[in-house]
Amino acid sequence: DTEVTQTPKHLVMGMTNKKSLKCEQHMGHRAMYWYKQKAKKPPELMFVYSYEKLSINESVPSRFSPECPNSSLLNLHLHALQPEDSALYLCASSQVVHSYEQYFGPGTRLTVT
Amino acid sequence: GENVEQHPSTLSVQEGDSAVIKCTYSDSASNYFPWYKQELGKGPQLIIDIRSNVGEKKDQRIAVTLNKTAKHFSLHITETQPEDSAVYFCAATRTSGTYKYIFGTGTRLKVLA
Repeated sequence: DTEVTQTPKHLVMGMTNKKSLKCEQHMGHRAMYWYKQKAKKPPELMFVYSYEKLSINESVPSRFSPECPNSSLLNLHLHALQPEDSALYLCASSQVVHSYEQYFGPGTRLTVT
Repeated sequence: GENVEQHPSTLSVQEGDSAVIKCTYSDSASNYFPWYKQELGKGPQLIIDIRSNVGEKKDQRIAVTLNKTAKHFSLHITETQPEDSAVYFCAATRTSGTYKYIFGTGTRLKVLA
């Protein structure tokens, strides 16, 4: 089973709201990733967690705050977003960061109004 | 920096025909090349991959070829079906160092019934 789940599927939030995106995998993977994908573009890496520790932050604005509470869960906390942050947010996981395959979740479609 | 060029950006084929999508990478240390299929409203799905020690890999109607000298790799889909219609992304990475996926810009494949 190579399933990564994400909730919610859709989220509409105002610029002053605080919300969180959730991601879960039960494959025993120890690397988890957040990507942002704009329409008709490839995914862009935001954060990488390795063994529950933040390994890479691709200079993402502080209004995005990742959290990895345990090896199966990954959260992305959102606060004071801008309309240009509207996008599909994808979670992915891999066995470890230096392994080959990354498996993506279905994404959360975020709209900031 | 590293980049991956992907062509064509759109491709229309008749059902039953073959489709070929080509990618060229710049980082000669890349050693893993996955292909993802992304249907509308869904996350990218890993459909086939190839490692640098292999020249070709097949899985039913899908094949990938790699030319390390020319730094090219290609996706071949035979006997295309309407359900093959999607956006396809290639990627290149090295399983050491930064281990980030460098994605191509995507190919929108339409299979006409």
